[in-house]
Amino acid sequence: GESVGLHLPTLSVQEGDNSIINCAYSNSASDYFIWYKQESGKGPQFIIDIRSNMDKRQGQRVTVLLNKTVKHLSLQIAATQPGDSAVYFCAENMVPAGGTSYGKLTFGQGTILTVHP
Amino acid sequence: GAVVSQHPSRVICKSGTSVKIECRSLDFQATTMFWYRQFPKQSLMLMATSNEGSKATYEQGVEKDKFLINHASLTLSTLTVTSAHPEDSSFYICSALSRANIQYFGAGTRLSVL
Repeated sequence: GESVGLHLPTLSVQEGDNSIINCAYSNSASDYFIWYKQESGKGPQFIIDIRSNMDKRQGQRVTVLLNKTVKHLSLQIAATQPGDSAVYFCAENMVPAGGTSYGKLTFGQGTILTVHP
Repeated sequence: GAVVSQHPSRVICKSGTSVKIECRSLDFQATTMFWYRQFPKQSLMLMATSNEGSKATYEQGVEKDKFLINHASLTLSTLTVTSAHPEDSSFYICSALSRANIQYFGAGTRLSVL
């Protein structure tokens, strides 16, 4: 079936470096993508989203890039801080043809980001 | 941002008992909420979609008689794990769908069945 997956299960960076977390998706009909951050023992926290009619979106210290040609999504975190250490999930939403999105998401496997001081 | 409250955060129960978990959207109304299950070091697995005023839609392989979902108002959905057994021990997370179609998540409930 369709799935969303991540290239790297773990990523270790030094404080102050930039981090890039990657995600590959296989459902070409997906039109909306979200990145979530999940700290240990907590629920996922919304970071940033992007729709398929865009290829880049920036937030505070984060940027999401979408390459529909190769079905690739990435999350860039600038000046990574120890507080950024968490598991990061990408998720995709598919809108049925001619229908309305009901918000159902498919989550990727997650990437563990560890930031060393 | 939108706030979703989930209660309790942790529950320990005996095998055979039932456990109810509440999910509330505190500052927005949510006609749709979702219930997920997450095992250690794994991704979120969708269990069911909770729709206000109607029956929940369960994912394949999820027993609807075991995981009862009630979405009686626009701000509250409950998940009841009936006759819980040790294999039901897990981290259960709910989310509420905002008008902008963004899912906001609760903090999760750690269920331990002895």
